[in-house]
Amino acid sequence: GQQLNQSPQSMFIQEGEDVSMNCTSSSIFNTWLWYKQDPGEGPVLLIALYKAGELTSNGRLTAQFGITRKDSFLNISASIPSDVGIYFCAGQLSGSSNTGKLIFGQGTTLQVKP
Amino acid sequence: KAGVTQTPRYLIKTRGQQVTLSCSPISGHRSVSWYQQTPGQGLQFLFEYFSETQRNKGNFPGRFSGRQFSNSRSEMNVSTLELGDSALYLCASSFNRDTEAFFGQGTRLTVV
Repeated sequence: GQQLNQSPQSMFIQEGEDVSMNCTSSSIFNTWLWYKQDPGEGPVLLIALYKAGELTSNGRLTAQFGITRKDSFLNISASIPSDVGIYFCAGQLSGSSNTGKLIFGQGTTLQVKP
Repeated sequence: KAGVTQTPRYLIKTRGQQVTLSCSPISGHRSVSWYQQTPGQGLQFLFEYFSETQRNKGNFPGRFSGRQFSNSRSEMNVSTLELGDSALYLCASSFNRDTEAFFGQGTRLTVV
């Protein structure tokens, strides 16, 4: 089936550092979404991207929809302890048969050392 | 505005039993989709409903089924439970089928 490759798998950083993670695929996507999930909870939507090349910010978070429509990245600036969690990328493939269905990356586990 | 509500939060069932999970979407949202999350397989798409009709389906056996009511609330059912069905089941709602999806807190199902 379709695959989203998310990297890195985990990160352990110092508070105040910037973080970058990305997702790549061999397939073309119409939508990219970034989520954060805390243990035992559902994913919380951080940023939604709908156009190739789109760059969107949400506070200290910035995400971009790749020009080729096959990738996306998420940056977190000046990390703080509450940024700890698992970050997921998710995308909706192009094509009417893929509407309503999200494909998820494997997740990036972020740990922040105070 | 209330978020996506899933009930119950936790369930313990025995192999062979069946289970029904419920999801109330955000008010005004018409699309509801379901996902299974396990440590080994990650988040996997189960199915999506819009206007009371299943519009898309993932690669899960027929034991997994769902439905959507006229008020957009949705239920999913798993029959003849297997140990491997133990997972966090997540429901997401969207205004339309191609807009951003908001997730509920999930139902943690344990099959013993």
